[in-house]
Amino acid sequence: EAGVAQSPRYKIIEKRQSVAFWCNPISGHATLYWYQQILGQGPKLLIQFQNNGVVDDSQLPKDRFSAERLKGVDSTLKIQPAKLEDSAVYLCASSVPGQGETQYFGPGTRLLVL
Amino acid sequence: GQSLEQPSEVTAVEGAIVQINCTYQTSGFYGLSWYQQHDGGAPTFLSYNALDGLEETGRFSSFLSRSDSYGYLLLQELQMKDSASYFCAVSGNTPLVFGKGTRLSVIA
Repeated sequence: EAGVAQSPRYKIIEKRQSVAFWCNPISGHATLYWYQQILGQGPKLLIQFQNNGVVDDSQLPKDRFSAERLKGVDSTLKIQPAKLEDSAVYLCASSVPGQGETQYFGPGTRLLVL
Repeated sequence: GQSLEQPSEVTAVEGAIVQINCTYQTSGFYGLSWYQQHDGGAPTFLSYNALDGLEETGRFSSFLSRSDSYGYLLLQELQMKDSASYFCAVSGNTPLVFGKGTRLSVIA
């Protein structure tokens, strides 16, 4: 079974530029999550999708972050414009609906904002 | 809201046993999960406790006391490859919330 795929793996941009991350969850996992993990901290949920609908985006900085999952499969997370404090690892995870305690994570995208 | 407390660092000797504690405050508690993350890697699921008591999976065990809002992860027969960060996470009325993690260093 293929795992959660993410791209790119690394990205370096300058502040005020835009960046986009892509995620393809495990086949059949209707629930998809985007997390931000700052060095030395635990993952922080940004947004949760159930199929193509948003379940929770209460911690998403909506003035600069956006995410979509138009066809209920893969998803894109965008930052525009980026700030220095956005430097982090962006993790995508997926799970079977109703089993959110068991999430499968992708390798993450390491973002450095200069 | 939710909050979780776990030690920031633990060091243990290869072959020994180590316990990583986690206390939490949350509303609408469903259960406590544990994840392992090696440096540069993705978090991987280890265990989940919804009921009080001990769950054993090979060398790893996890315990939950709902009345004390407390749980722990027990690692036995430590191996060098167990050096990693370990996160407890609570599930409840809101999506999974992770603690700040405990960095475990296994030394020879």
